[in-house]
Amino acid sequence: NAGVTQTPKFRVLKTGQSMTLLCAQDMNHEYMYWYRQDPGMGLRLIHYSVGEGTTAKGEVPDGYNVSRLKKQNFLLGLESAAPSQTSVYFCASITTRQGGYTQYFGPGTRLTVL
Amino acid sequence: DQQVKQNSPSLSVQEGRISILNCDYTNSMFDYFLWYKKYPAEGPTFLISISSIKDKNEDGRFTVFLNKSAKHLSLHIVPSQPGDSAVYFCAARRTGTASKLTFGTGTRLQVTL
Repeated sequence: NAGVTQTPKFRVLKTGQSMTLLCAQDMNHEYMYWYRQDPGMGLRLIHYSVGEGTTAKGEVPDGYNVSRLKKQNFLLGLESAAPSQTSVYFCASITTRQGGYTQYFGPGTRLTVL
Repeated sequence: DQQVKQNSPSLSVQEGRISILNCDYTNSMFDYFLWYKKYPAEGPTFLISISSIKDKNEDGRFTVFLNKSAKHLSLHIVPSQPGDSAVYFCAARRTGTASKLTFGTGTRLQVTL
């Protein structure tokens, strides 16, 4: 049981380049989320999915697209990277516990756009 | 509009003493609150949570208190240990929103020897 994994761990892009970040979870969780973390701003939700084949916008969706073709994978795409997308990206999935729930986070992807 | 606020960017506490981290929120529709701990170059890890129908939840050295009338929650760590040094995030969930979380900006805790 690897939990939530993210690839790649680091990436440097030039403005205008595209890339896809992969999130995978082996816990059979329905809900998955993509966040970005910037200095002094906490984590902000980009997109999320409540099940295979479904996606929805979060707080800061502009410039990103997502897909959830398989339940265990949630992909985050940048079609044309901009310096404002330099950030650390975290994926999370959700499970219920003891009447409540918690989100499990991956280790993050550090992206720099030059 | 920052709906979840952590007004102290940093906190320094001596080993063995109590650490108190605070969080304020503005949205009365939040029904579930969580605390996460984050070490550098790692993802946030779940620490403790509390439902809005409770005012206290304990788990070992960690206790979370919720004051709904003041829209305030706090995390107490007793006794504090050097390994507790990390950034702590408060997060809140609004009823019926696909369990999306709104995070505070974090408080960096340093536990000194």
